[in-house]
Amino acid sequence: EIVMTQTPLSLSVTPGQPASISCKSSQSLLYSDGKTYLYWYLQKPGQSPQLLIYEVSNRFSGVPDRFSGSGSGTDFTLKISRVEADDVGVYYCMQSMQLPLTFGGGTKVEIK
Amino acid sequence: EVQLLESGGGLVEPGGSLRLSCAASGFTFSTYTMSWVRQAPGKGLEWVSRIRGSGSNIGYADSVKGRFTISRDNSKNTLYLQMNSLRAEDTAIYYCAKGVHVAVTGPDYWGRGTLVTVSS
Repeated sequence: EIVMTQTPLSLSVTPGQPASISCKSSQSLLYSDGKTYLYWYLQKPGQSPQLLIYEVSNRFSGVPDRFSGSGSGTDFTLKISRVEADDVGVYYCMQSMQLPLTFGGGTKVEIK
Repeated sequence: EVQLLESGGGLVEPGGSLRLSCAASGFTFSTYTMSWVRQAPGKGLEWVSRIRGSGSNIGYADSVKGRFTISRDNSKNTLYLQMNSLRAEDTAIYYCAKGVHVAVTGPDYWGRGTLVTVSS
């Protein structure tokens, strides 16, 4: 099974400041079709997870351009250019390169 | 608008069974891979199972293999999870989720979830 490791565990950010979350996988997420199956989700308090980024860097429909994803192989990053109050919650990375799908442990983002 | 509505959760004793359902709308259900993902109270996300649009190519997490069965009825736009031999560690919110692309497992839309509590 592919192990996903997220850092940091938590983040306290001043509104308007940037934030960055790292996700490392135990093996490459590059599939034979040339795509890299790395996703980012945000779970706001009391809600279901919502997709932010798919295939490393593609913003999902309706996701503000403050959110961006980058990386390749085994190292990935989610960046929020200017954190807003609505961005609080737990961020998860996930791989679907192979079964079982596996998630990172989550990064809790709070507003200072 | 994509909608996923889970039902069937509840309180069940260890060793018991439950059948979860997920009613889908707003997309061509039969063409998308669907998954079940769970979240134990206060914990992270754990993938449980997935099924391709045709009902083929089913996969399970090791933690549920042999006890849970995923299925779908494309004529009813409904996904199911039959859960047998339930254990306390199966207590969680169970989400159904739709693949972001046809034949891709990684989810985009998630339902609100249904709570399963396994306790005597």
